[in-house]
Amino acid sequence: QQKVQQSPESLSVPEGGMASLNCTSSDRNFQYFWWYRQHSGEGPKALMSIFSDGDKKEGRFTAHLNKASLHVSLHIRDSQPSDSALYFCAVSDSGGSNAKLTFGKGTKLSVKS
Amino acid sequence: GALVYQYPRRTICKSGTSMRMECQAVGFQATSVAWYRQSPQKTFELIALSTVNSAIKYEQNFTQEKFPISHPNLSFSSMTVLNAYLEDRGLYLCGASPYWGNYAEQFFGPGTRLTVL
Repeated sequence: QQKVQQSPESLSVPEGGMASLNCTSSDRNFQYFWWYRQHSGEGPKALMSIFSDGDKKEGRFTAHLNKASLHVSLHIRDSQPSDSALYFCAVSDSGGSNAKLTFGKGTKLSVKS
Repeated sequence: GALVYQYPRRTICKSGTSMRMECQAVGFQATSVAWYRQSPQKTFELIALSTVNSAIKYEQNFTQEKFPISHPNLSFSSMTVLNAYLEDRGLYLCGASPYWGNYAEQFFGPGTRLTVL
């Protein structure tokens, strides 16, 4: 069973709209969540991490974690064409430098101008 | 800022030959380096995690005999794909982590794309 489930597989939103991405961990040992973004031809880049219940906001990006359900979401407000990319949720069993990340299969976001 | 470089960006090798790829961290000390393979379908597979002063830990289905890794200092790591075959093709990514407090982000390079003929 895939340890990290992401949905939807792909998403299209208009420029200026809100994009919402979802991620669920199936292993209660894995409670440290990261969101990564990968543009075509590049390596993934961390957007934000969230380790505690509730919301975490960084600019136009807001992550929400519910530890009881091991579910995290990422909301992108005022979406821009430059936000078009693959978004990966990654989980680990610790937040330390030797943490092993397990990635989901990703959500492809397209922002149409 | 923290940057990770990977060399080469693209490489083509004949089936059964070997290919070495490098990863360099700039602007921070790479306490840990993880090597991944991203399939053409974009899924990630963790190959191994190397932490300074600890043994390199390989994931199931990946072995040191097939993917030997070197992590000689806090800025450099290399990995070789030995006897490469078609199923080894993909984008090989290194993710390097510094130790900044309790939580560490993995900084990724752009990857080495391996094509096997």
